[in-house]
Amino acid sequence: AQRVTQPEKLLSVFKGAPVELKCNYSYSGSPELFWYVQYSRQRLQLLLRHISRESIKGFTADLNKGETSFHLKKPFAQEEDSAMYYCALMTGGSYIPTFGRGTSLIVHP
Amino acid sequence: DAGVIQSPRHEVTEMGQEVTLRCKPISGHDYLFWYRQTMMRGLELLIYFNNNVPIDDSGMPEDRFSAKMPNASFSTLKIQPSEPRDSAVYFCASRGQGAANEQFFGPGTRLTVL
Repeated sequence: AQRVTQPEKLLSVFKGAPVELKCNYSYSGSPELFWYVQYSRQRLQLLLRHISRESIKGFTADLNKGETSFHLKKPFAQEEDSAMYYCALMTGGSYIPTFGRGTSLIVHP
Repeated sequence: DAGVIQSPRHEVTEMGQEVTLRCKPISGHDYLFWYRQTMMRGLELLIYFNNNVPIDDSGMPEDRFSAKMPNASFSTLKIQPSEPRDSAVYFCASRGQGAANEQFFGPGTRLTVL
């Protein structure tokens, strides 16, 4: 069965510090991975997906099949990055994502 | 398009009362999902529909929970009777066909059961 693990429920950093939100998955095939973000009092929205290999709001995430990870990184955190972040996995042929439990990122001034 | 619409945005009720949450998906989307979000469990998938048909309801916690999708533009999630542990934010989401399509979430309904 597929599973997504976000080991940190809460991550607290200071503005300007690097940030890495961890995501590990379990799936033997070729996964599709996503990061969703939920800012305070807003709806969840897609932040980025691994197939796009894009940088959104300074965030990047690289799929590491060897380590089965898809960690979200940003070199210099900003206060407006404070939000709840969810990693999600979709497997071949399935349109149903499996979400991790989420990591709450707090960026202090 | 206004996106996924949910109502009410906030609901406060007393234990034992029936609660009905409503969702209007994005027009043309084939899939509709109901999620529950809590601090303890994060985001849990309760049930999803494909073309108005319930496909997987294994996430529905108890028989007190039921969901319907009478047509492509409307779905309800009902809790009867409600209990304090049902307090959470309930999200509806929809998406179109295609594995690369993202899910679009509604604003959520914050339910408080006293």
